[in-house]
Amino acid sequence: DGGITQSPKYLFRKEGQNVTLSCEQNLNHDAMYWYRQDPGQGLRLIYYSQIVNDFQKGDIAEGYSVSREKKESFPLTVTSAQKNPTAFYLCASSPGSYTGELFFGEGSRLTVL
Amino acid sequence: GENVEQHPSTLSVQEGDSAVIKCTYSDSASNYFPWYKQELGKRPQLIIDIRSNVGEKKDQRIAVTLNKTAKHFSLHITETQPEDSAVYFCAVHSTSGGSYIPTFGRGTSLIVHP
Repeated sequence: DGGITQSPKYLFRKEGQNVTLSCEQNLNHDAMYWYRQDPGQGLRLIYYSQIVNDFQKGDIAEGYSVSREKKESFPLTVTSAQKNPTAFYLCASSPGSYTGELFFGEGSRLTVL
Repeated sequence: GENVEQHPSTLSVQEGDSAVIKCTYSDSASNYFPWYKQELGKRPQLIIDIRSNVGEKKDQRIAVTLNKTAKHFSLHITETQPEDSAVYFCAVHSTSGGSYIPTFGRGTSLIVHP
């Protein structure tokens, strides 16, 4: 069953802690993306990666970090430097850097206590 | 970077009415314009898309029109049904360092009243 899987679905963390959100895909897609979704803000791009071992900052990269060591995996770390980390995070993938449909994971909801 | 404006932010219609959502963009080199539907608690999913060499595309009750000169495109839903209630996002794929990066609008919450 092909798709894109995010975990965990819900996550709570204390202020000052780093947390890593997992994103795995078995669609053999080259490109992967991380978006943050806040009410009324739409989907804002955090980081994206077009190929393994390469990634670029999106519009709101401050306080986040990523890695792309394997084609199927693109984890996102929310660091303590992120001022307002409570949000819904969506991972997506697409076949390549050409224009085409994005396939989304089910999302991870992070709450900072 | 690309600037995508989406209107309205909320749209309330009666079942059977039509609904129209409009997006404008700034980068004239943008070439791909998808629409996603996100039902409550679920992931966004593509419902229709259009490329820059086409002016209109239709799929049953939904259609998308593109005006490249004016840099806007619209989603049209006819004969709306309660199951059409969701948040709809437009997106624009524009160039960034040789790659095409999707930028999303802020979303439209469509409510269809039975």
